[in-house]
Amino acid sequence: SQQGEEDPQALSIQEGENATMNCSYKTSINNLQWYRQNSGRGLVHLILIRSNEREKHSGRLRVTLDTSKKSSSLLITASRAADTASYFCATDSGGSYIPTFGRGTSLIVHP
Amino acid sequence: GAVVSQHPSWVICKSGTSVKIECRSLDFQATTMFWYRQFPKQSLMLMATSNEGSKATYEQGVEKDKFLINHASLTLSTLTVTSAHPEDSSFYICSARDGQTNYGYTFGSGTRLTVV
Repeated sequence: SQQGEEDPQALSIQEGENATMNCSYKTSINNLQWYRQNSGRGLVHLILIRSNEREKHSGRLRVTLDTSKKSSSLLITASRAADTASYFCATDSGGSYIPTFGRGTSLIVHP
Repeated sequence: GAVVSQHPSWVICKSGTSVKIECRSLDFQATTMFWYRQFPKQSLMLMATSNEGSKATYEQGVEKDKFLINHASLTLSTLTVTSAHPEDSSFYICSARDGQTNYGYTFGSGTRLTVV
């Protein structure tokens, strides 16, 4: 069953703007990961944040995790047209480290 | 970094035929591999967990006789869609876990299956 749910489902912005995507989940997690998928391609791992972490950075990416609200956000700063893709959050919980994916956010960055 | 190679990237087959999809970990040993299915603009749904040297574990609702999984070595898992039907048309993606860590998931590039 799906655990994470991304919001918004679709996001359209201009190059240079920041893009923020949110992910909410229902049960306690071990880890939360964000992935990127270009149309018709496989997934690329972006960031993993553990349940005891609150924020992580990687280049233009910033991920936050609020376990009290069971939510995470992915911020892409100074977006580029090449950032156009679908972004998924995935959580794992309990004794299983198999990630369960949300439906994703489709991001379009206009040049 | 860890690389997973998935082949073929796309395949078109006739109804009733079988299709085999390969997933290889190129620079690490993967005791566990995962097979996902993705419908257009939908999430990835886990189909099964493939364990080297043992039977795969299928998710509820996935027909094990239709989706045969073989994980005969630490670097190769195969998914065979048997007697394919148009409703099996989908995007199939494999993922492997790097045995060096519990948290390293690497995905293949996916296979677009079209059954006509």
